[in-house]
Amino acid sequence: GAVVSQHPSRVICKSGTSVKIECRSLDFQATTMFWYRQFPKQSLMLMATSNEGSKATYEQGVEKDKFLINHASLTLSTLTVTSAHPEDSSFYICSARDRPSGATDTQYFGPGTRLTVL
Amino acid sequence: QKEVEQNSGPLSVPEGAIASLNCTYSDRGSQSFFWYRQYSGKSPELIMSIYSNGDKEDGRFTAQLNKASQYVSLLIRDSQPSDSATYLCAVGEYGNKLVFGAGTILRVKS
Repeated sequence: GAVVSQHPSRVICKSGTSVKIECRSLDFQATTMFWYRQFPKQSLMLMATSNEGSKATYEQGVEKDKFLINHASLTLSTLTVTSAHPEDSSFYICSARDRPSGATDTQYFGPGTRLTVL
Repeated sequence: QKEVEQNSGPLSVPEGAIASLNCTYSDRGSQSFFWYRQYSGKSPELIMSIYSNGDKEDGRFTAQLNKASQYVSLLIRDSQPSDSATYLCAVGEYGNKLVFGAGTILRVKS
């Protein structure tokens, strides 16, 4: 159980284009999803917390107009990197948390999306 | 700013030995603690969670928590080369967020 998928797994795009990444919880309903970014040899950096049906909460220093997050259902959250630039090249990872009733606050991670902006 | 500290390593152990990974955290009120394993180029995968003081065992893995000392550790018995990875300690905070340590690189030599 507790499987999270991400699509695409890898994307290469030209500078200035927008890229959408999907995160799905396959066998459970996720009230909360999280988006992380990881640069080489660094730990995970939380970008934003996404709650179903409400606006995402962004961490300090993360541009909400550049990284658009939508959590339209209990199994799907999307991250859109708008007007991507080479410095946005990174490994983007989502995680999902079980519904709160009787569940722990364990986060289950998707396989990640490697974004390369040329 | 809540912090989670880990020795970056690398920690090298021979195959079959016990690997001991340590983590300290700054927020005394933290209640949930997690160990994740991350292979190079992959996303983290959950190894164990622990919420109460003491030991929690799952197969070859044992998590140890000491809230008074703000210390959590992970022991890996009978280490295998396939255990070579980066181990991330994470501490839960308000809002269900996790604060991650920088990770400890473990190398198990055959």
